[in-house]
Amino acid sequence: GESVGLHLPTLSVQEGDNSIINCAYSNSASDYFIWYKQESGKGPQFIIDIRSNMDKRQGQRVTVLLNKTVKHLSLQIAATQPGDSAVYFCAENIRGADGLTFGKGTHLIIQP
Amino acid sequence: DTEVTQTPKHLVMGMTNKKSLKCEQHMGHRAMYWYKQKAKKPPELMFVYSYEKLSINESVPSRFSPECPNSSLLNLHLHALQPEDSALYLCASSRTVNTGELFFGEGSRLTVL
Repeated sequence: GESVGLHLPTLSVQEGDNSIINCAYSNSASDYFIWYKQESGKGPQFIIDIRSNMDKRQGQRVTVLLNKTVKHLSLQIAATQPGDSAVYFCAENIRGADGLTFGKGTHLIIQP
Repeated sequence: DTEVTQTPKHLVMGMTNKKSLKCEQHMGHRAMYWYKQKAKKPPELMFVYSYEKLSINESVPSRFSPECPNSSLLNLHLHALQPEDSALYLCASSRTVNTGELFFGEGSRLTVL
């Protein structure tokens, strides 16, 4: 089965609020995690990544947190905008392996 | 040019047909990938090419045959497919296999009748 999965299939937030999307993983050999955004009719788009030697990384309006103790990572989107509406996937790279394994997505819906 | 271009965008084929999906990038990336995505599901890794050599084949049936003619092109040859193979086929590239920053095309939507 999949090592990487998400807690909720759908997340609805008010425009302007912060969004938090969660992801759990089970493979202790995973050492690199990536968040992707997929808009309807498009391929996934890279958002931000984090390696296992870090616990936090920030980008433009996004922050990824990694908790290796409980094998959990989250994506925080500040001041959510209509253009953030998409399916968000966490993905992992297992140490020594090529390619990424994607977890189940969370559909982020923005309420006006 | 930061695009990965896939053709065709849509393909309908019978179970006895032979067809090919094509993917092209001109970013100088040396890793290229094929993923399969069913509706409302995450992309599933099929093949990884690193420096034009196949490095990963995720137990994909032989009716799918990848080819990497050069560092810019990636093909997926299709033969004797089944209706359950209907899906969105995504091509991606990255600078090397050691980065998680993949650049995806918009996909080829395949329907097998």
